[in-house]
This record gives sequence, C-alpha cells and structure tokens, in this order.
Amino acid sequence: EVQLLESGGGLVQPGGSLRLSCAASGFTFSSYAMNWVRQAPGKGLEWVSTVSGGGGSTYYADSVKGRFTISRDNSKNTVYVQMNSLGAEDTAVYYCAKLVRVGGTGFDYWGQGTLVTVSS
Amino acid sequence: EIVLTQSPATLSLSPGERATLSCRASQSVSTSLAWYQQKPGQAPRLLIYDASNRAIGIPARFSGSGSGTDFTLTISSLEPEDFAVYYCQHRSNWPLFTFGPGTKVDFK
Repeated sequence: EVQLLESGGGLVQPGGSLRLSCAASGFTFSSYAMNWVRQAPGKGLEWVSTVSGGGGSTYYADSVKGRFTISRDNSKNTVYVQMNSLGAEDTAVYYCAKLVRVGGTGFDYWGQGTLVTVSS
Repeated sequence: EIVLTQSPATLSLSPGERATLSCRASQSVSTSLAWYQQKPGQAPRLLIYDASNRAIGIPARFSGSGSGTDFTLTISSLEPEDFAVYYCQHRSNWPLFTFGPGTKVDFK
C-alpha cells in the first residue's frame, strides 16, 4: 500500500524558515518524480515544486522560486522542501504527491497534508 | 503561460443526474491533463490522468475526454459521495504543472 506522510508544519514568523518532510512507502521511490502542492485556506490547489526520481532535476512555481528548495533522499524514501523567507502568502496546507508515471500528468497518491501558518 | 479555465464554477445537480464539467486551456496541451476530486478536509484524489485514463480504484461512472484545448469530465450518474470540488491540472514546460480554479458540484 502506497503511503505518503508529511511532517514539519507549524507556526512560523514572517521571514522565518521551515523544512517539510514527506516519508514514502509502498512503491519504488526512486522511480517517480515527487511533488509539493499547497492549498491556502478556502482556496484552490497550487503546484509548488517537483523533483525528478533521481533528484537531478527540480522545478518551482514562480511564487516560491529562490525561496524554496526541494530535495530527496532515495536511501530514506523521503522528499523535502526547505522554505525560507516565509510570508503570510505561504500560509497553506502543504501536500506531497507522487507523479502517476514518468512524463505523465496526474498525481496518483497524496499525503494527508501538513499545515504551515506564517504569522507573528 | 497556459491558463486553465473551468466551467461552470458551480454545478447544482441531484443524485442520479449526469454531470458534465469543462476544462479549457488557453493553448493546446495535447493530452497532458488530469482531473481530481476534493472533499472538505481531505487531500485531492486523482480521477483521470493523461486526459482519459481512469486512475486505480476510480469507478467507471467517471470518464475523461478531450485533447488540445477542450476537456470534459463526465460523471454518468451522480452518487451522493460525488458532491465535491473538481480540479483539472495540466503539465507543460513552464510552469511544470498548473491547476484550474475548480468546479463545485453541489446538491440542487
């Protein structure tokens, strides 16, 4: 059974940093790109970042480029996102999600989400 | 940048009725499109990937069609558990992924 478990969310002050983790199990982790998606309270879904299966390619939304860094440790089956210079606009539930297939469109498994609140 | 537009914003239907949701891209996206269902307090669930492929475990009443700029998600006969928000998502060179604004299917 595929499972994705996020952790690391919480309350952080504006300008602060946070690192989210997503532990994966139930599939060959290194074979799939992994993604972070966020959802601000009452709003729609926003793609944040993607890392390729091997970790060599990373992609970011403009809204987080230069502030967020995605990475993965295939020996630990874990994907991370380091979030710096956080602002109120980054307040959201952050989900990690697995890409359905190489080159595909669709995230077939999602974690339960972790809430990040940026507030003083 | 390709923009996705979903219509209608809200679809009010009764159980047993057919639901037709539209997602339109500002430029051709071939078949690089997915559909999700999201219920309050839950993570999104993938329904359709690559425009027309049902994800694992998704009932046959859900179907996706289209290519290029116009895509449709059809729910052939609404079940009570299908009342939710539906998002489309597209993949491109940049930004890598984009979600549409969503269509809410609620009870008439």
